[in-house]
Amino acid sequence: EPEVTQTPSHQVTQMGQEVILRCVPISNHLYFYWYRQILGQKVEFLVSFYNNEISEKSEIFDDQFSVERPDGSNFTLKIRSTKLEDSAMYFCATRGDRETQYFGPGTRLLVL
Amino acid sequence: SQQGEEDPQALSIQEGENATMNCSYKTSINNLQWYRQNSGRGLVHLILIRSNEREKHSGRLRVTLDTSKKSSSLLITASRAADTASYFCFNAGGTSYGKLTFGQGTILTVHP
Repeated sequence: EPEVTQTPSHQVTQMGQEVILRCVPISNHLYFYWYRQILGQKVEFLVSFYNNEISEKSEIFDDQFSVERPDGSNFTLKIRSTKLEDSAMYFCATRGDRETQYFGPGTRLLVL
Repeated sequence: SQQGEEDPQALSIQEGENATMNCSYKTSINNLQWYRQNSGRGLVHLILIRSNEREKHSGRLRVTLDTSKKSSSLLITASRAADTASYFCFNAGGTSYGKLTFGQGTILTVHP
C-alpha cells in the first residue's frame, strides 16, 4: 500500500536556526497538510496546500513558517528561525480525491 | 472538517473484551471518519461512514451513525493490546480542503 514518508525522523537544532522538514506524498494525491503535536498535547493543524498554493493556515502558521513543493514530488515545511516552542512532532498528511488523509510517521523536532 | 467530541475521554479494558467509544458532532455531515493514533506516532485512518449509511464494518471494527442524534459509535471487538491508542472522530461537512480539527480523543488502554 502506498505510504507517505517523512525525513528526517528526528532533528535537533539550535534556537534561531532554520529547519526544513520533508514529506513525500502518495503519488497522484492533490491535497497536502502539515500538523504538529507538542508533547502531551493534541494534534494541531498548521497548513493545507492545494494546486501549488496555501489553501488554509492556522494562527500558528506565522511568517516564520513556509511550505512549498519545490520539485513536484517533495512537500516541505520550513521554519526560518526556530524557537524553543517549535519543539514538537510534525506530521505531513496527503489526500487524493477522496476524503481520507494519509499521515506520515512524523518528524520529531527538538529545538535547544 | 469539524471537530467531533469523543466520549469517554479514557477507556480501560482487558484483552478480548469489546471497546465502544462515541462521537457527537454539531453540524450536518457528508461523512464521518475515525482515526487512531498510537502513542504520539502517526495517525491511521480506520473507517469512513457516509451520511446515508447507518452501519459499516471493517474487520473487528463496527461503526454506526445516527444523523438524527448527530452521533456515531465505534465498536472494537475482541480487543488486543495493540489496539491501545487514542481514537478520534471527524465530521467531514463538505469543507473543500479538508483539514482535520482534533479534539482530545478517547484514550483506549487494552491490558494483556
